Amino acid sequence: AQTVTQSQPEMSVQEAETVTLSCTYDTSESDYYLFWYKQPPSRQMILVIRQEAYKQQNATENRFSVNFQKAAKSFSLKISDSQLGDAAMYFCAYRSEGKTSGSRLTFGEGTQLTVNP
Amino acid sequence: GAGVSQTPSNKVTEKGKYVELRCDPISGHTALYWYRQSLGQGPEFLIYFQGTGAADDSGLPNDRFFAVRPEGSVSTLKIQRTERGDSAVYLCASSLFPGGTYEQYFGPGTRLTVT
Repeated sequence: AQTVTQSQPEMSVQEAETVTLSCTYDTSESDYYLFWYKQPPSRQMILVIRQEAYKQQNATENRFSVNFQKAAKSFSLKISDSQLGDAAMYFCAYRSEGKTSGSRLTFGEGTQLTVNP
Repeated sequence: GAGVSQTPSNKVTEKGKYVELRCDPISGHTALYWYRQSLGQGPEFLIYFQGTGAADDSGLPNDRFFAVRPEGSVSTLKIQRTERGDSAVYLCASSLFPGGTYEQYFGPGTRLTVT
């Protein structure tokens, strides 16, 4: 079974600075997707960024980028120019492309990000 | 367009009671997922529907939990003989198709409290 680990329960960053959230995962599969989701107090999960395992190039979405290290099974999220609206719980998630696991998401425990003005 | 909606937003029930939680997916989405999020943890998969059928129900914790999607759109998660340990936020998500590059869109969840 796949597992996702986020070792930082809480992180803080000054507004306009850069912060990196860590995520590691365990899998024996070669084809999969990795995601970062943001969950504000409203509880609504919002997709931040996605990475296909077969792509070597790291995904970027505006101020958000990832460092995907497939051999090390590491998938960190970098937030540049942090804004007050970035404050939320961030979840790393894994999705298999295998038939046995279907298309379910496996989530980590989350990292609570605080942005200080 | 409308996103995924879930009703009720909050539900308080007594131990031993039966509850139903409803999910309205995005129109046209064929895949629907239920997750459970306990306090301070990440969501855990419960069940996934492709159309009307449950394609994967391996995450349901026991036989007190059951879900249906009779017409391939709205889904209801049913919990019998509720226990205090069932208290959590129940999240629903839908995607146009399962897997691939299709994104799962989440609803705001139903917070269930069993007293």
